[in-house]
Amino acid sequence: GENVEQHPSTLSVQEGDSAVIKCTYSDSASNYFPWYKQELGKRPQLIIDIRSNVGEKKDQRIAVTLNKTAKHFSLHITETQPEDSAVYFCAAKRDNDMRFGAGTRLTVKP
Amino acid sequence: DTGVSQDPRHKITKRGQNVTFRCDPISEHNRLYWYRQTLGQGPEFLTYFQNEAQLEKSRLLSDRFSAERPKGSFSTLEIQRTEQGDSAMYLCASSPPFGVWTDTQYFGPGTRLTVL
Repeated sequence: GENVEQHPSTLSVQEGDSAVIKCTYSDSASNYFPWYKQELGKRPQLIIDIRSNVGEKKDQRIAVTLNKTAKHFSLHITETQPEDSAVYFCAAKRDNDMRFGAGTRLTVKP
Repeated sequence: DTGVSQDPRHKITKRGQNVTFRCDPISEHNRLYWYRQTLGQGPEFLTYFQNEAQLEKSRLLSDRFSAERPKGSFSTLEIQRTEQGDSAMYLCASSPPFGVWTDTQYFGPGTRLTVL
């Protein structure tokens, strides 16, 4: 089955800096890659996603890149703000099977 | 709030008791998923419904776990003879019918289960 690895497990940046979180997946048939943000005690919220026929997608300060050959994808957050502090999860989906990474705890220091 | 809802939000039970959780998906979403999330981990897939049919079950889902979606709307997840290892957040998610751009899963707030 699919295996998703996520790095780093914790990330601390200064407000205004960029943050990058990386994930790798094992199943080449996975074709949908969402990123979720989860604040303490709250539900995971989709922040951006990308499909396997696209290499890059951007939404304001957030971007995702996908390298299908290498089977890795990354989340980029620019101009970080304290409210970006949360746990971020990547996932890879094939059919109805979605597997999540273990999460990255991002702390943005003011 | 027209999002996915779950009830109860918190459940504390004693080992050996049975518990049941409910999930109400977004209206018109015919696909429904249950996940379990433990501290410091991502959600782990448990089971998937398309309408009322349970189409997939994870090997993580022991025979003490059963899920239903009798009318293709809300779903219930029951855990029998709870064990301390069942303590976790149980998340429900739903997706619209198959079509273009329908991979997105929308999560509910979860039910936090504590087994004493």
